[in-house]
Amino acid sequence: QQPVQSPQAVILREGEDAVINCSSSKALYSVHWYRQKHGEAPVFLMILLKGGEQKGHEKISASFNEKKQQSSLYLTASQLSYSGTYFCGTAPPLSAGGTSYGKLTFGQGTILTVHP
Amino acid sequence: KAGVTQTPRYLIKTRGQQVTLSCSPISGHRSVSWYQQTPGQGLQFLFEYFSETQRNKGNFPGRFSGRQFSNSRSEMNVSTLELGDSALYLCASSLGLPLNNEQFFGPGTRLTVL
Repeated sequence: QQPVQSPQAVILREGEDAVINCSSSKALYSVHWYRQKHGEAPVFLMILLKGGEQKGHEKISASFNEKKQQSSLYLTASQLSYSGTYFCGTAPPLSAGGTSYGKLTFGQGTILTVHP
Repeated sequence: KAGVTQTPRYLIKTRGQQVTLSCSPISGHRSVSWYQQTPGQGLQFLFEYFSETQRNKGNFPGRFSGRQFSNSRSEMNVSTLELGDSALYLCASSLGLPLNNEQFFGPGTRLTVL
């Protein structure tokens, strides 16, 4: 099932903060965050794994509530370069097996616009 | 290290034709995933290959198929094209399973079906 992202769009002034949420109706093994600028390929931001491990290489923070099957991406002191569409992707636990095993499903995206 | 490359970048076809898209992953990456991106549907998973084997498949009709070669390069084929197949097709590679590894996306192939 496709995760649900909220809000669908957000407009900020430089320096303001924003939170993007990602929610799934099923148990999750991992949540992934990607940013895509207009006309470009999605770029990896972070992976949050069940058990607390995180992998990422940008100064962006995120949380993963395994019990609620929710993740939030925190964008603080936003910069113009943060503008783009943010996608969360979710993967079910390995125990899910079947046709869900290993499959990453992305949400519809959240459009973030940062103005000077 | 070279990134993920996709060819061609743009393609225009007519209904009923077939098309083959190509993806070369980052050197050393054995997993290749394909996604369809449209304004209304976002990023839709097509399939994932690892060591020439299809490990996962999304909810697309059988007209969509793919394969992976021994050098990890991958192709996807769409037969009997429909207008609704117009989209950006993205390929992504990763070292291991996409569910716990960073994926590196290529620039995509923009397919227009007339």
